[in-house]
Amino acid sequence: ETGVTQTPRHLVMGMTNKKSLKCEQHLGHNAMYWYKQSAKKPLELMFVYSLEERVENNSVPSRFSPECPNSSHLFLHLHTLQPEDSALYLCASSRGGAGTGELFFGEGSRLTVL
Amino acid sequence: GNSVTQMEGPVTLSEEAFLTINCTYTATGYPSLFWYVQYPGEGLQLLLKATKADDKGSNKGFEATYRKETTSFHLEKGSVQVSDSAVYFCALEEDQGGSEKLVFGKGTKLTVNP
Repeated sequence: ETGVTQTPRHLVMGMTNKKSLKCEQHLGHNAMYWYKQSAKKPLELMFVYSLEERVENNSVPSRFSPECPNSSHLFLHLHTLQPEDSALYLCASSRGGAGTGELFFGEGSRLTVL
Repeated sequence: GNSVTQMEGPVTLSEEAFLTINCTYTATGYPSLFWYVQYPGEGLQLLLKATKADDKGSNKGFEATYRKETTSFHLEKGSVQVSDSAVYFCALEEDQGGSEKLVFGKGTKLTVNP
């Protein structure tokens, strides 16, 4: 148990669907992250929120829309995705600015786009 | 930009064999360096870290030394166990106020056979 919970664990959606991934952390952290993990590629940082404000958006297509309503919750809203968006989406949190480099990851949401 | 290169896998070893997973980095300045591990079906977790040149990080029998001269941070373990089977990620930290921005390598899958 890492203190970071992601739901759903598995999601299959068509290209015209709208769905959301949810992440919740119970560690009292101030920063939250979305990463994309694809086979044979480095982890791709998608979004970073610090104190509920977005501080990083690495040129992610607009079909991915993040939302951070408070420091414990992070969402990734998905719409009109493409098959190449199929991947494991990892949420992480950290104490924010601590300089420890320690991220606490959830188990991921495995997304398949048909 | 900053980047991390780690040896291509997969790596397959017998129990009690010696393990080395190579990692080199490209960065401005002297970033902190990390090894993360991802066990099957789980998110990533921090294995060890080193924050300055010649530091040695260690945990669970794994070690890695920050080598500024060769810009390397190779992971080693003297005697691997079946339970060490996982994917190992090398990472460096970029300066980012308010959050932890890590740049990851592609990961190296290790399988240890009994």
